[in-house]
Amino acid sequence: GEDVEQSLFLSVREGDSSVINCTYTDSSSTYLYWYKQEPGAGLQLLTYIFSNMDMKQDQRLTVLLNKKDKHLSLRIADTQTGDSAIYFCAPRGAGSYQLTFGKGTKLSVIP
Amino acid sequence: DADVTQTPRNRITKTGKRIMLECSQTKGHDRMYWYRQDPGLGLRLIYYSFDVKDINKGEISDGYSVSRQAQAKFSLSLESAIPNQTALYFCATSPRTGGEGYTFGSGTRLTVV
Repeated sequence: GEDVEQSLFLSVREGDSSVINCTYTDSSSTYLYWYKQEPGAGLQLLTYIFSNMDMKQDQRLTVLLNKKDKHLSLRIADTQTGDSAIYFCAPRGAGSYQLTFGKGTKLSVIP
Repeated sequence: DADVTQTPRNRITKTGKRIMLECSQTKGHDRMYWYRQDPGLGLRLIYYSFDVKDINKGEISDGYSVSRQAQAKFSLSLESAIPNQTALYFCATSPRTGGEGYTFGSGTRLTVV
């Protein structure tokens, strides 16, 4: 099955950019999702990228996909304290439509 | 109302008790999932259902059972709760096709004492 790896922790200063990285193993992944989990809450879909794209930008969020290296990243520009959360990378398999979740990266924003 | 509703939000139960966690959705999605979340372990899939008559075990199904009562309802049961089943439980839904991804409920925090 698919393996998804993420760093567990990231700490940045307010106003800086954050980059959360993810590597995966299934080269046939079609959609690749980023979810955000705020403390005490469920997971919310933040953004996603289709596998035929290299980059997707959505306001302060930029998703980069390197299919050759099976590497996905999420960049948050001008990081705010409200961005403090756990971020999950979740590729979707080609045939099963199921998502495989990484363990999540806890982003801490220092005021 | 939330698209995916989980009840209860919090529950404390004793070892050996049977407990049911419920999930209902208004998304009209065919597929439903139960996950548990433990610190440092991420999300682990317990059971999933592709439609009312199609239920499948996930990676950690031992000690759990599920029932898909209708397209919109998927419940998770712990037949005889044990302390290491203390966790945050999430229900999720997804459509059969398309890129919509999963929609999650707000979670049930279960403590087994």
